[in-house]
Amino acid sequence: NAGVTQTPKFRVLKTGQSMTLLCAQDMNHEYMYWYRQDPGMGLRLIHYSVGEGTTAKGEVPDGYNVSRLKKQNFLLGLESAAPSQTSVYFCASRQGLNYGYTFGSGTRLTVV
Amino acid sequence: GDSVTQMEGPVTLSEEAFLTINCTYTATGYPSLFWYVQYPGEGLQLLLKATKADDKGSNKGFEATYRKETTSFHLEKGSVQVSDSAVYFCAPGPDNYGQNFVFGPGTRLSVLP
Repeated sequence: NAGVTQTPKFRVLKTGQSMTLLCAQDMNHEYMYWYRQDPGMGLRLIHYSVGEGTTAKGEVPDGYNVSRLKKQNFLLGLESAAPSQTSVYFCASRQGLNYGYTFGSGTRLTVV
Repeated sequence: GDSVTQMEGPVTLSEEAFLTINCTYTATGYPSLFWYVQYPGEGLQLLLKATKADDKGSNKGFEATYRKETTSFHLEKGSVQVSDSAVYFCAPGPDNYGQNFVFGPGTRLSVLP
């Protein structure tokens, strides 16, 4: 049972660089999410998807883009990284609205 | 908007002590309610849930009851272990429109041997 797999686990970027975080789930879940977790700020939703080909903005979408070309994958892109995007990023999926999230193990991103 | 109030801790207990972590929420309607646990260096894991009023969710000795009257979902465990040391998050589920993605701020629990 792989569940939700995030790659990479760690990354250091220089300001202005771009990167893509990959999230893959093997549970056939419709709903997928990207959160960031920061000390003192808790978990905040960046973007989410309610099905293949759909995306929607969350609470803190600025500076990020997402794509859900395949049901099992949800990609988070940073076009021009900024130090304020230093955070731990979590991908999650859920089977339906009354089900809990299944989270990945996170990506720790540092922007210098 | 929806919100969650949760005792922030840190909470420090001795092994075998009784645990209560309070959680109250505001939400549209009566969503499902969830508790998650996060161990150091890991993602959140679903601990338990309740889907309607008066439901009791339970798992690994933890319990929480969905109290509609007080909009609360307090987490309890009768006898904590060192291995329960973690951060606990309360979260209401989505409303009927699929909205609401808030989590409580998390409560750090440390259990001493």
